[in-house]
Amino acid sequence: QKEVEQNSGPLSVPEGAIASLNCTYSDRVSQSFFWYRQYSGKSPELIMSIYSNGDKEDGRFTAQLNKASQYVSLLIRDSQPSDSATYLCAVNYGQNFVFGPGTRLSVLP
Amino acid sequence: DGGITQSPKYLFRKEGQNVTLSCEQNLNHDAMYWYRQDPGQGLRLIYYSQIVNDFQKGDIAEGYSVSREKKESFPLTVTSAQKNPTAFYLCASSIWSLSPFDTQYFGPGTRLTVL
Repeated sequence: QKEVEQNSGPLSVPEGAIASLNCTYSDRVSQSFFWYRQYSGKSPELIMSIYSNGDKEDGRFTAQLNKASQYVSLLIRDSQPSDSATYLCAVNYGQNFVFGPGTRLSVLP
Repeated sequence: DGGITQSPKYLFRKEGQNVTLSCEQNLNHDAMYWYRQDPGQGLRLIYYSQIVNDFQKGDIAEGYSVSREKKESFPLTVTSAQKNPTAFYLCASSIWSLSPFDTQYFGPGTRLTVL
């Protein structure tokens, strides 16, 4: 059973702080990893993808991948109230994606 | 504009009725997917299709049916056999599902409520 695990939260951070979201996965064969943001009542929106060990930065977002530890994280710098959403971690297992349950982030003004 | 459209946005069904949810994409993607999301939960795969006239069951296919007669379209029918159909239904597509680097993009979703 291929699994993706995330803390469900809610994770609360003050405005301007760094939010750190974590995800672990069960299958070492996985090659690609994704973070989606989902606002309440809306569909998931892709914000980051990462394929290689290390960090990948895109604006205020940084994805970090450690394949040896089967761990992927998302850092959001200078968090804004508009970042308040559920963040879904997804792993491409070759033929299908498996999504984690999501972590709800609340950025407090 | 390229993208994925789903209709209707909201759908109400009486018990015992079959309903069909529409999903259309103009991204020229080969693969299409249907997911179900329940409140506070992650996405569960219902069906997926990698090519026209072919589709495979996902983790929770019972009570659902699909067709893929055109590359652009992948409608989902929620049958009366689905005992608890109230949920948020999401359609997604990707360029080529057999690539380990394939990326899925989502439509806006259909919220189905059983009365």
